[in-house]
Amino acid sequence: NAGVTQTPKFRVLKTGQSMTLLCAQDMNHEYMYWYRQDPGMGLRLIHYSVGEGTTAKGEVPDGYNVSRLKKQNFLLGLESAAPSQTSVYFCASNPRDRGYNEQFFGPGTRLTVL
Amino acid sequence: GQSLEQPSEVTAVEGAIVQINCTYQTSGFYGLSWYQQHDGGAPTFLSYNALDGLEETGRFSSFLSRSDSYGYLLLQELQMKDSASYFCAVRFGDYKLSFGAGTTVTVRA
Repeated sequence: NAGVTQTPKFRVLKTGQSMTLLCAQDMNHEYMYWYRQDPGMGLRLIHYSVGEGTTAKGEVPDGYNVSRLKKQNFLLGLESAAPSQTSVYFCASNPRDRGYNEQFFGPGTRLTVL
Repeated sequence: GQSLEQPSEVTAVEGAIVQINCTYQTSGFYGLSWYQQHDGGAPTFLSYNALDGLEETGRFSSFLSRSDSYGYLLLQELQMKDSASYFCAVRFGDYKLSFGAGTTVTVRA
């Protein structure tokens, strides 16, 4: 099993450009999450999904949109990138039957917005 | 909202014991988790406490006191590979975790 994978690993954008980050998991997990991590800060929840076709807002959702059309994929979109969105983005997932106690993380996407 | 406090840095020598404290304020508390992150890579799960007391997993132990809104991670017999960032996280409401800012542990020979 590959676990949780993220595409791309690195990306540089100009202000105003758009992009989509892809997260894929092959563990048949129901729940998936997008976090951002900034220097000196912990992970902050952007959006999450509790199943195919569902999404919900986390702590810092502004400027981002998400979709979960397939159970194994969770997409994070930036419609008009801003320098404040320069960050490392982590995707995570967990199965329903573990009571959300352990989340499995992808390797991260390092995004720079100029 | 949720807030968690943990020390920013800890330095210790190989073989020593390190305790990382975490205090939290949250509504709807379900439990306290600990994650390890090496060099900005993928965080990995270490432990979870839902009830008061000590949970032991090899060289690592985690403690929770719900009445004090306090927990700690204990790293024993420190090894160089334990140099990493450690995050406490509270599970609040359904499905969601809120993370502390992290503690950087540096192990010296």
